[in-house]
Amino acid sequence: EPEVTQTPSHQVTQMGQEVILRCVPISNHLYFYWYRQILGQKVEFLVSFYNNEISEKSEIFDDQFSVERPDGSNFTLKIRSTKLEDSAMYFCASRPGPGEKLFFGSGTQLSVL
Amino acid sequence: GENVEQHPSTLSVQEGDSAVIKCTYSDSASNYFPWYKQELGKGPQLIIDIRSNVGEKKDQRIAVTLNKTAKHFSLHITETQPEDSAVYFCAAIYSGNTPLVFGKGTRLSVIA
Repeated sequence: EPEVTQTPSHQVTQMGQEVILRCVPISNHLYFYWYRQILGQKVEFLVSFYNNEISEKSEIFDDQFSVERPDGSNFTLKIRSTKLEDSAMYFCASRPGPGEKLFFGSGTQLSVL
Repeated sequence: GENVEQHPSTLSVQEGDSAVIKCTYSDSASNYFPWYKQELGKGPQLIIDIRSNVGEKKDQRIAVTLNKTAKHFSLHITETQPEDSAVYFCAAIYSGNTPLVFGKGTRLSVIA
């Protein structure tokens, strides 16, 4: 069964460093998302991406965050200068079309020290 | 925007009993309501969903009901098994590309 894959599964970084989280959405999907989940809390929307541009973003997604689809398969989330409060599990998700089922990857656990 | 409330936050049941998790939503325009199961260290997995044009949907031991008038929907798991132990999230969405809004989750523990 096709699945959303994310790498790395764990990322440890120093405060102020840049990190890039990588995702390979399901191949025929057109809508891509990043969500995050702070330990023990609910899953929060960060950004949606369609047709090579951001469709919507939340208040969390400030100027330190950016997304990119550098080729036909990868979808990345970059945090330019990490803060302690960026520590969370980051999930990539994709869906084939509007209103269709949303599938999540297994996540990247980001720890900012 | 949409706000989803989920109750209870924790639920313990004996193996074989039923479990019910309830959610309410605020935006009457929301029309798609999925439920996700999240096991430790994994991403949310879609287990069942319902659209606003139906009131109930079943898939083996899992069922979801929707009351549009009251703006609430519920997940029902019958004949619970230890492997049902996980965190369950409800979500709601207005159609199109708008993002899912999640509830805070329910930690279900099925005691053998």
